[in-house]
Amino acid sequence: KNQVEQSPQSLIILEGKNCTLQCNYTVSPFSNLRWYKQDTGRGPVSLTIMTFSENTKSNGRYTATLDADTKQSSLHITASQLSDSASYICVVSRKDSGNTPLVFGKGTRLSVIA
Amino acid sequence: DVKVTQSSRYLVKRTGEKVFLECVQDMDHENMFWYRQDPGLGLRLIYFSYDVKMKEKGDIPEGYSVSREKKERFSLILESASTNQTSMYLCASSPTGKNYGYTFGSGTRLTVV
Repeated sequence: KNQVEQSPQSLIILEGKNCTLQCNYTVSPFSNLRWYKQDTGRGPVSLTIMTFSENTKSNGRYTATLDADTKQSSLHITASQLSDSASYICVVSRKDSGNTPLVFGKGTRLSVIA
Repeated sequence: DVKVTQSSRYLVKRTGEKVFLECVQDMDHENMFWYRQDPGLGLRLIYFSYDVKMKEKGDIPEGYSVSREKKERFSLILESASTNQTSMYLCASSPTGKNYGYTFGSGTRLTVV
């Protein structure tokens, strides 16, 4: 069954600290993996997209990694800011998906406190 | 700036009412999707459409229907709203192709009382 599992479910960190969010997937055949950020009461916004051949991709203070062999991805946030408080959703697409919808994780709720 | 626009941010409806949620995209995308999002359950797909007048059931279509008469507009219809349909509803669109992500609307928070 095509699934995306994220951990932890929620996380609280102090402003300025780093953190890492995890994503494990069983989606096959794999095409690409995306991380989305969703602020409370808003729609998700794409942070990064990674294909099979990419191991690391950065977007400012956000760095995503992908290990296609172990089917794991992580999102590392450096020097966290209060505005990083949001849900982070891992999304995987299948290679043959075409128009078929993506497979979503349930998200990690990150709270950055002063 | 490309956009997916949902007509209402907040809605309160009574049980049994017929409810229309509207979504419009200005990116000429072929594919459009309706999700609901509930705490602890993540995004669940209700319906999607990959062309005008075409629709496909998602994972939880019961109690919902959709309409896509024009490429840019995808409507979600609750034929007879019930309290268990209280949720955040998200519309998304994407062009056809394997490496394109979704663009999401800002969501509609629907409360059925």
